[in-house]
Amino acid sequence: DVKVTQSSRYLVKRTGEKVFLECVQDMDHENMFWYRQDPGLGLRLIYFSYDVKMKEKGDIPEGYSVSREKKERFSLILESASTNQTSMYLCASSPSDREVYGYTFGSGTRLTVV
Amino acid sequence: GQNIDQPTEMTATEGAIVQINCTYQTSGFNGLFWYQQHAGEAPTFLSYNVLDGLEEKGRFSSFLSRSKGYSYLLLKELQMKDSASYLCVALDSNYQLIWGAGTKLIIKP
Repeated sequence: DVKVTQSSRYLVKRTGEKVFLECVQDMDHENMFWYRQDPGLGLRLIYFSYDVKMKEKGDIPEGYSVSREKKERFSLILESASTNQTSMYLCASSPSDREVYGYTFGSGTRLTVV
Repeated sequence: GQNIDQPTEMTATEGAIVQINCTYQTSGFNGLFWYQQHAGEAPTFLSYNVLDGLEEKGRFSSFLSRSKGYSYLLLKELQMKDSASYLCVALDSNYQLIWGAGTKLIIKP
């Protein structure tokens, strides 16, 4: 079964902390994505990657960075956490022919910044 | 701008049929997805349409009209486990996903 694993289900961090959210997929997918999901809004793309060491900004990259050193792992970094980054973070991956198979999501990390 | 519109919430009865509508405006179009998301869980892929018409998959069907910028998800023989949010997602000309905010479907016995 296809799997995307996010390292933490719930996290509480303090304002100003550096936060790492880890995502690992075991499907050999080329594409990986980080989204945040807030009530009443659609998923918003933060960053994505189509290959190892490659990264592209999504719609809301400010305050975030990413790292993809290995194909299976895509990390999201909050350089200095702020309360407006309290959200549900979803990692997803897809094969190159994603139009047919869609995206596979991890179970999400609910981050609270206090 | 790019936009997806779908109702915020719908209620239906167990065993009945419900249709969740979605309209979209995108820069180019490369298809439309529907995802299901149970509360507190990740979205899961339901369907993908790129050509006009109806695609049937068991109790779930998805319809697309490209000329009208319109899609719907049809759920038949509703079960309590179908209570979830249903996300309409369009793929634009750059193959970027444009997400709707989701329709929360409440199933009553």
